[in-house]
Amino acid sequence: EVQLVESGGGLVQPGGSLRLSCAASGFTFSDYEMNWVRQAPGKGLEWVSYISSTGVSIYYADSVKGRFTISRDNAKNSLFLQMNSLRAEDTAVYYCAREYPYDIWSGYYPYYFDYWGQGTLVTVSS
Amino acid sequence: QSVLTQPPSVSGAPGQRVTISCTGSSSNIGAGYDVHWYQQLPGTAPKLLIYGNTNRPSGVPDRFSGSKSGTSSSLAITGLQAEDEADYYCQSYDTSLTGSKVFGGGTKLTVL
Repeated sequence: EVQLVESGGGLVQPGGSLRLSCAASGFTFSDYEMNWVRQAPGKGLEWVSYISSTGVSIYYADSVKGRFTISRDNAKNSLFLQMNSLRAEDTAVYYCAREYPYDIWSGYYPYYFDYWGQGTLVTVSS
Repeated sequence: QSVLTQPPSVSGAPGQRVTISCTGSSSNIGAGYDVHWYQQLPGTAPKLLIYGNTNRPSGVPDRFSGSKSGTSSSLAITGLQAEDEADYYCQSYDTSLTGSKVFGGGTKLTVL
């Protein structure tokens, strides 16, 4: 059974830092691209960041570029999000989400999330 | 403001059919990228409902169906049940920013 379990959320002051983790199990983690998606209280979903299966390719939403860093440790089946210079508008539940793999034969990229974690709440407030 | 546009809310009585629209542009849905739908029950994480415009993952009832045309997509739910009350989000890929997945603002479905 695929499981994604986030941790590391909490209360942090504006300008502070936090590191989120996502522990993966039930699948070969190193074969999959991963993402972080967040949801502010009472709001919709917002894609935050992507990392390829090897960690070579990384992308960020404009709203977090230069402040957040995504990384992974395939040996430990773990995904991370280092969040620096946090702002009130970063307050949200952060989900790690597995991306369905692209088809190497057709070159088709589906670009969707087939499994999600339960989320971890990050609150940025003084 | 979300890149993909959804109605904030829809409602229907048990047994009825409802549809939720998702409108994009030439940089996402209109560029040929697939649309995917997620269901988020209250207090839970999103769950994949429809992928690749029309496909249902194993375990999703056939009461749920998706379609795509031009720059828009729709999610249809037939035989509405109380347990379908949830938030629904469409999602696609956008060429405006490399690697950017985009979501609709979400639609709250109320079963009357």
